[in-house]
Amino acid sequence: DGGITQSPKYLFRKEGQNVTLSCEQNLNHDAMYWYRQDPGQGLRLIYYSQIVNDFQKGDIAEGYSVSREKKESFPLTVTSAQKNPTAFYLCASSIGRVASGANVLTFGAGSRLTVL
Amino acid sequence: AQSVAQPEDQVNVAEGNPLTVKCTYSVSGNPYLFWYVQYPNRGLQFLLKYITGDNLVKGSYGFEAEFNKSQTSFHLKKPSALVSDSALYFCAVRGPDFNKFYFGSGTKLNVKP
Repeated sequence: DGGITQSPKYLFRKEGQNVTLSCEQNLNHDAMYWYRQDPGQGLRLIYYSQIVNDFQKGDIAEGYSVSREKKESFPLTVTSAQKNPTAFYLCASSIGRVASGANVLTFGAGSRLTVL
Repeated sequence: AQSVAQPEDQVNVAEGNPLTVKCTYSVSGNPYLFWYVQYPNRGLQFLLKYITGDNLVKGSYGFEAEFNKSQTSFHLKKPSALVSDSALYFCAVRGPDFNKFYFGSGTKLNVKP
């Protein structure tokens, strides 16, 4: 079945450590996204990528970094510069590059990061 | 600027009664509107979308949504609620950059037996 796989599902980090969250999709989608979810705040866009080797900052990119070396993969690194990293992180993808109704987000199951 | 507002943090409804979850939006150009549902510790699942055409859109699990351009609203509805509909619901709009989606803060729906 086609879909998005995020790993790990749960991750604990000590302060000062960088961590990388994995996101892989087999939907042949061009666009991929990372959102952060906090209670009562909905989803906030961290980074998105419309094509391989290209990505743009979202609304809360500070303290995060991404790469898009392959179409299928869009890993997110939460760096020690992120002051409040404890959150639920969601990866998503879409067909991208088309302004049509087909451009709908498909989400992974999420990764919950807790800083100890 | 593009934005979505969900004015109710929580909606409570009895099983079998109709439900409405409210959403208003602000967007440049034509709105592309979406509803998603999230169960605990899971990703979001797509319910329905409005792109153009009929103002009443039908989606998954018996849900529908009514687009109202003059009121800039896109309320989610279901004629008869089920306990299993209890979840967190998000409204979203796609902006002029057709790869950017903006989400509301979410509404928790509680359906009681």
